[in-house]
Amino acid sequence: GIQVEQSPPDLILQEGANSTLRCNFSDSVNNLQWFHQNPWGQLINLFYIPSGTKQNGRLSATTVATERYSLLYISSSQTTDSGVYFCAVKVADGLTFGKGTHLIIQP
Amino acid sequence: DSGVTQTPKHLITATGQRVTLRCSPRSGDLSVYWYQQSLDQGLQFLIQYYNGEERAKGNILERFSAQQFPDLHSELNLSSLELGDSALYFCASSVSLGNKGYTFGSGTRLTVV
Repeated sequence: GIQVEQSPPDLILQEGANSTLRCNFSDSVNNLQWFHQNPWGQLINLFYIPSGTKQNGRLSATTVATERYSLLYISSSQTTDSGVYFCAVKVADGLTFGKGTHLIIQP
Repeated sequence: DSGVTQTPKHLITATGQRVTLRCSPRSGDLSVYWYQQSLDQGLQFLIQYYNGEERAKGNILERFSAQQFPDLHSELNLSSLELGDSALYFCASSVSLGNKGYTFGSGTRLTVV
């Protein structure tokens, strides 16, 4: 099946810093989504982005489908950005998730 | 509130027992998906229903089954429970078959003792 690799696995930053999270996938996909799992376990859909670039406030994402990677940018980090960020892709059936990037934003 | 409602939020049960997890999708969404999140396996797709019919199966054990009712709510039945079934079970919904823009519920945390 398709492989989804996320990097870095862990990231600790100070409030106000910027970060880039990467997602590599092993095959062509027709669906790529980014999710944030907050410390209470809730999974929040950030972006549906099979290709191109989208922005939502301090967050933006870019997917280069031909090169099989996606990037999630977080600018001016806040403590509420802490949690695990997952990339998920779909080929045929349900979404295949990466292992996530665990982000800690320190005040 | 995401609009996807899962009950119960927490469930503690003994090995060998059977439990039913319930999910009400967001209004207007026809697709319902079930996922399992465990420390060793991560987030894994279990099964998808669309407008009452099973559409796709993932890594769902034979001891597990699901269904979607005419009012579009879905139930995941877990039987002959083992310690390793302890996990967070998520339901998600979307408007179409294509999995665009999933919305997840807050999950049911199952502990098997």
